[in-house]
Amino acid sequence: RKEVEQDPGPFNVPEGATVAFNCTYSNSASQSFFWYRQDCRKEPKLLMSVYSSGNEDGRFTAQLNRASQYISLLIRDSKLSDSATYLCVVSIRSNDYKLSFGAGTTVTVRA
Amino acid sequence: NAGVTQTPKFQVLKTGQSMTLQCAQDMNHEYMSWYRQDPGMGLRLIHYSVGAGITDQGEVPNGYNVSRSTTEDFPLRLLSAAPSQTSVYFCASSSTGTGNSPLHFGNGTRLTVT
Repeated sequence: RKEVEQDPGPFNVPEGATVAFNCTYSNSASQSFFWYRQDCRKEPKLLMSVYSSGNEDGRFTAQLNRASQYISLLIRDSKLSDSATYLCVVSIRSNDYKLSFGAGTTVTVRA
Repeated sequence: NAGVTQTPKFQVLKTGQSMTLQCAQDMNHEYMSWYRQDPGMGLRLIHYSVGAGITDQGEVPNGYNVSRSTTEDFPLRLLSAAPSQTSVYFCASSSTGTGNSPLHFGNGTRLTVT
């Protein structure tokens, strides 16, 4: 079983729509969680960390569900510029150097 | 502020050839790492370094060597290229290398081994 699994999508949504997707992780001892964004043929960039109580950054909301071992990302009022692949990243310990990356969920926002 | 610089951007090798992928960062980060990204798979850690003179293996180290003689540079060497090493390679750095600081990635190197 992969350590981090994501629905590859693609999620095709119109501008202004809300889109949400999850990422499941296999190790219940996982401590740190992140969402990275990767544009086509570009490098990944940190979108946001995911905190236990959930957190928002503008139109983006991240949630953590430890009982079911998944994190989620919700994008409100989608923009064309949100089209990208979103990578889920998990660390078993906060001081661990080895992060586990999901394969990514592709989101395409259409005009 | 250049961040993380990788060269070359593209490379084609024949099976058995060797080469070095260069990576340099100007953020004075202690932690540097190399990942490979293949279709349908997450980024996989090849090697990493927590400071000059210190390197360690990641998830998929076979066929690759690294060294860290300075804080700024972390080259990745392919000893004898194989078609299975066709991939996109990313170098990344962070101030601590832990889950508490983000990874800064280079632009990537697209390697094809024929």
